[in-house]
Amino acid sequence: AQKITQTQPGMFVQEKEAVTLDCTYDTSDPSYGLFWYKQPSSGEMIFLIYQGSYDQQNATEGRYSLNFQKARKSANLVISASQLGDSAMYFCAMRGYNYGQNFVFGPGTRLSVLP
Amino acid sequence: KAGVTQTPRYLIKTRGQQVTLSCSPISGHRSVSWYQQTPGQGLQFLFEYFSETQRNKGNFPGRFSGRQFSNSRSEMNVSTLELGDSALYLCASSLLSENTEAFFGQGTRLTVV
Repeated sequence: AQKITQTQPGMFVQEKEAVTLDCTYDTSDPSYGLFWYKQPSSGEMIFLIYQGSYDQQNATEGRYSLNFQKARKSANLVISASQLGDSAMYFCAMRGYNYGQNFVFGPGTRLSVLP
Repeated sequence: KAGVTQTPRYLIKTRGQQVTLSCSPISGHRSVSWYQQTPGQGLQFLFEYFSETQRNKGNFPGRFSGRQFSNSRSEMNVSTLELGDSALYLCASSLLSENTEAFFGQGTRLTVV
């Protein structure tokens, strides 16, 4: 079974500062992908960043980077230079690469960016 | 190119009724999966379709069903609605089932009264 844990129900960050959202995972799959999605109040899930379990380097996408520590089973999201528009729910998710694997999502972290 | 389109965006139904939700994936995407999001349970996987075949199913009662058409559009149906079925239903589209990213629609917000 796969499980995602996000221990921060809510986070506050000052505009233009960096923030780290925590994510730990548990899986017995040898190969898997880790994802972060952003969900604004409109409801749509917006893909942010992906990290494959065999990727040697941490993934980066613009202001987003994923701090992947495989031995610790953690995949923290780092947002640099926070903007007011970053205020949203953030979900960490994983997906095994076996046949028909679905996403397993964490409970989410609500990020509020303060002006 | 167009994103994932879910219709309708909002629905209000009465207990005992049935409802059908629609999802049009990104053009060329063959995998469509459905998720239910509630404040209490979070995001839970319902089922996944790939090339018109259900390949995976979550732990939901048989009242929840779905299908996928030859153009990859998918529908999910919930029969005999219960108050607890009130949720945001999200559809995700992938090029292949094992592909990396999945792209989500804006969801259908179902309220059962």
